[in-house]
Amino acid sequence: GQNIDQPTEMTATEGAIVQINCTYQTSGFNGLFWYQQHAGEAPTFLSYNVLDGLEEKGRFSSFLSRSKGYSYLLLKELQMKDSASYLCAVNKGGAGERTTDSWGKLQFGAGTQVVVTP
Amino acid sequence: GAGVSQSPSNKVTEKGKDVELRCDPISGHTALYWYRQSLGQGLEFLIYFQGNSAPDKSGLPSDRFSAERTGGSVSTLTIQRTQQEDSAVYLCASSLDTGMNTEAFFGQGTRLTVV
Repeated sequence: GQNIDQPTEMTATEGAIVQINCTYQTSGFNGLFWYQQHAGEAPTFLSYNVLDGLEEKGRFSSFLSRSKGYSYLLLKELQMKDSASYLCAVNKGGAGERTTDSWGKLQFGAGTQVVVTP
Repeated sequence: GAGVSQSPSNKVTEKGKDVELRCDPISGHTALYWYRQSLGQGLEFLIYFQGNSAPDKSGLPSDRFSAERTGGSVSTLTIQRTQQEDSAVYLCASSLDTGMNTEAFFGQGTRLTVV
């Protein structure tokens, strides 16, 4: 089986920092994605991690620890437009092998609703 | 095309009727995914295609659901004898491949309402 867990909701004020944690238990791992989804819209890509460490992209950073099955998305200098659902997704698949029933399957967590207040 | 296109954008159908949802992926993308999202919920994986074959159909909720992809491009998700619990937004995504570092691009979804 595969479990991807993230908090349901987080609230923060404009200008602050918020960290969204994601833990996963998978039978295979081929990278972790973070997506942003505004209400009524399609998810859009934010970041991708496959190696341990921190990836920084402007106000957004994403961290991965494969040994701990843990990732976080860090949002800095929060803006009102950052109010959205943030989805953690794992690309399931064994490194170096390609099993026909699991390779490339992108599985999502339930999402974390971030509410930014003035 | 420029992005993933889904049609129709909205569909209201009567319980018991069949519906077909269409997804036109980004040109050249070999991988195509179908997800379902109920109100306030996360994305529920349904099925994905690599080319025309579907290596993983494990997410299809019942045998009323089927999907096909022809020519490595357009995909159709068919729901037979629709039930009210089928009401959801059906999202399609495509990616260049299913390998590493290939982000999935989503369409705007089809909002299905079964009355």
